[in-house]
Amino acid sequence: DIQMTQSSSSFSVSLGDRVTITCKASEDIYNRLAWYQQKPGNAPRLLISGATSLETGVPSRFSGSGSGKDYTLSITSLQTEDVATYYCQQYWSTWTFGGGTKLEIK
Amino acid sequence: EVQLQQSGPELVKPGASVKISCKTSGYTFTEYTMHWVKQSHGKSLEWIGGINPNNGGTSYNQKFKGKATLTVDKSSSTAYMELRSLTSEDSAVYYCARTGTGAWFAYWGQGTLVTVSA
Repeated sequence: DIQMTQSSSSFSVSLGDRVTITCKASEDIYNRLAWYQQKPGNAPRLLISGATSLETGVPSRFSGSGSGKDYTLSITSLQTEDVATYYCQQYWSTWTFGGGTKLEIK
Repeated sequence: EVQLQQSGPELVKPGASVKISCKTSGYTFTEYTMHWVKQSHGKSLEWIGGINPNNGGTSYNQKFKGKATLTVDKSSSTAYMELRSLTSEDSAVYYCARTGTGAWFAYWGQGTLVTVSA
């Protein structure tokens, strides 16, 4: 099975900061990578598929990059509504999620 | 508008079974695979399995084989997941999630809380 590792389980950020969340697969997943945002009490929300494709309605301050095993979700100018937990997911071979990265305000 | 409406919270006794439903609307039910995901309190997401509503074909995470059974009712556009031999480890929120044009999970139900307690 493919393992997905998000190196930071949480970190504190300031409003307006640029945030980078990383995700590493245990093997090449050929850009079959999605990012989800989850707020407390809510279901996850798809932000990005195919490593870089922004879903309709997702603000353009979100972007995805990466290839091979290593992928990144970036948020430029963090807003209050971006405080949430973010999960990566590979769908190259069955489906596996990362452990999540929780953003908190300093 | 695509909607996935899950059944309400369940309180079940250890050793019992529970069946959760996910009623869909806003799209052709048989055209997209439906998946189920477990989220234990404060934890990450685990893929349980998926079902092709067109032919009933299923794929399971090895960890959940024997624990979860996925079915569909095409007449009502509803997907089901039955969990059996429940223990406290099965207490969690369970989500149904529909694929998009690719294999990612584009739409999610609101989640069903299952609590296993005597």
